[in-house]
Amino acid sequence: KQEVTQIPAALSVPEGENLVLNCSFTDSAIYNLQWFRQDPGKGLTSLLLIQSSQREQTSGRLNASLDKSSGRSTLYIAASQPGDSATYLCAVPTLDSWGKLQFGAGTQVVVTP
Amino acid sequence: SAVISQKPSRDICQRGTSLTIQCQVDSQVTMMFWYRQQPGQSLTLIATANQGSEATYESGFVIDKFPISRPNLTFSTLTVSNMSPEDSSIYLCSVRDREDEQYFGPGTRLTVT
Repeated sequence: KQEVTQIPAALSVPEGENLVLNCSFTDSAIYNLQWFRQDPGKGLTSLLLIQSSQREQTSGRLNASLDKSSGRSTLYIAASQPGDSATYLCAVPTLDSWGKLQFGAGTQVVVTP
Repeated sequence: SAVISQKPSRDICQRGTSLTIQCQVDSQVTMMFWYRQQPGQSLTLIATANQGSEATYESGFVIDKFPISRPNLTFSTLTVSNMSPEDSSIYLCSVRDREDEQYFGPGTRLTVT
């Protein structure tokens, strides 16, 4: 059974610092990996989708890497801003149920001005 | 991409009553997914809704408790029946596009008293 772990569970940084969020998964046979952002009490916003054949994806200040062999993905957020404060979730599709995502518990990020 | 709306955005309901949550997508999709996020937890898939057929429920979720309708390719409803305080959660509708990227609605925040 696929298990997804995110470390750290919480992170607080001053504005301007780079953020590094980690996601690990136990079964390397993944189709893709997706990073989401969730604001308190709200839905999920898709940030980046990395296909299994890709090593990384970039969108603005966000960069996500994928290393299937080691079962890891890292989300980098450059020059953090207070508006980046949110919970960040990574998820991978399960192999037994199309469309079902296995989520990590998330990393709660606070960026202080 | 896909834009998803949900109604209601939040509700406070009494124990023993039922609530129907609506999900509308701006494009036609084959499958729609209903997730639950209990307080402080990550997301769990409730069921997959296909147009024209019965929904497929995940382990631990049953149709009598969470009946789902899927009358067309852009709309679905989830009913939470005979509610108890343990049903207090955020309920989220989700779809997947042709590039396998998954999108979520803004969620319905349910509190059962």
